Amino acid sequence: QSVLTQPPSASGTPGQRVTISCSGSSSNIGSNTVNWYQQLPGTAPKLLIYSDNKRPSGVPDRVSGSKSGTSASLAISGLQSEDEADYYCAAWDDSLDGLLFGGGTKLTVL
Amino acid sequence: EVQLLESGGGSVQPGGSLRLSCAAAGFTFSDYAMTWVRQTPGKGLEWVSAISGAGERTHYADSVRGRFTISRDNSKITLYLQMNSLKAEDTAVYYCAKASSWSVRNVDVWGQGTAVTVSS
Repeated sequence: QSVLTQPPSASGTPGQRVTISCSGSSSNIGSNTVNWYQQLPGTAPKLLIYSDNKRPSGVPDRVSGSKSGTSASLAISGLQSEDEADYYCAAWDDSLDGLLFGGGTKLTVL
Repeated sequence: EVQLLESGGGSVQPGGSLRLSCAAAGFTFSDYAMTWVRQTPGKGLEWVSAISGAGERTHYADSVRGRFTISRDNSKITLYLQMNSLKAEDTAVYYCAKASSWSVRNVDVWGQGTAVTVSS
């Protein structure tokens, strides 16, 4: 059972904007930065957002991250078929002294 | 380009042992903490263990503490995970991941993973 809570699924049509939420607590999201990872079928996770809202080189600016208090969100605008993947949030937890992952959200492009 | 290549996965009986290795390239290995993360088939990601750049500090998930040992050889640019007393629930793909800095708190680049199956 993940301590970081994500919706199991999300969907949108091409061109739409979708958001994926990640809810935590004061010991993780509330006191540490959040990363988001994209995992395409059959591949390893790839860093999509780091330090709450920063994009690594190569990630398009239609992908954005935000954080408020103990919750974080990933937004993807101009949805494309290649965005269909699993998305995971992650944050260090000071109480557990370990890295926590959300349960993952499967994004479907209709 | 950062590259991480895991090896050592395979099939083992419950109670057995395996040692995973992760060969790194493309960055100054000793400057970065390293992490192991696993993924059960069809399920989500679970952090397993992390180690500081010099290897003096280690962290473990409760589910593996006392059974798994993380280590690194900076002269060989390799990360290890010694897994003992393996259980069926340890069956997963194990990923090696590079931290984004000296801190273990964030990971950026992942290897392609190595599969471990624990079954009688």
